[in-house]
Amino acid sequence: EPEVTQTPSHQVTQMGQEVILRCVPISNHLYFYWYRQILGQKVEFLVSFYNNEISEKSEIFDDQFSVERPDGSNFTLKIRSTKLEDSAMYFCASRPSGGGETQYFGPGTRLLVL
Amino acid sequence: EDQVTQSPEALRLQEGESSSLNCSYTVSGLRGLFWYRQDPGKGPEFLFTLYSAGEEKEKERLKATLTKKESFLHITAPKPEDSATYLCAAVTGGFKTIFGAGTRLFVKA
Repeated sequence: EPEVTQTPSHQVTQMGQEVILRCVPISNHLYFYWYRQILGQKVEFLVSFYNNEISEKSEIFDDQFSVERPDGSNFTLKIRSTKLEDSAMYFCASRPSGGGETQYFGPGTRLLVL
Repeated sequence: EDQVTQSPEALRLQEGESSSLNCSYTVSGLRGLFWYRQDPGKGPEFLFTLYSAGEEKEKERLKATLTKKESFLHITAPKPEDSATYLCAAVTGGFKTIFGAGTRLFVKA
């Protein structure tokens, strides 16, 4: 069964450093999403992406964040200058263009900012 | 303001003891209501999508229902392997996804 994959599974970085989190969505899906989950808290929507542009973003998704689909398979989330409060699990999700709103999630990247 | 609220926060059941989890939502232009299962340190695993009041879906010991204000996840004769956090999420008319805080389910053998 096709799955969303994410790399790396864990990343440790120093405050102020740039990080890029990578996702490979399910191959025939056209909508892509990033979410974050701070330890012990809710899953929070960050951004949705369709047709090579951002379709929706939350208040969390400020100028420090960017997304890109650099090729036909990868979908990335870049955090330009990490802060301690960016430490969280980051989940990528995808859904097909037809057949409803169901999103399928990847296993997540655990980001720790020191 | 769009909101999704789940109750209870935690639920402890004996194996075989059926119960229900609640998800109340206040969402403008609901496009879909989802249930996911999340194990510790893992991504949400899709269970069900419901689109309109009155809709029901079943999978093994789980059954999800939807009204205009809330959704229920019924667990019939749970087993220890059903222990997990169950997440409810709603997609708004503005295409944003809002998650509830989840219900942590513990099933004891």
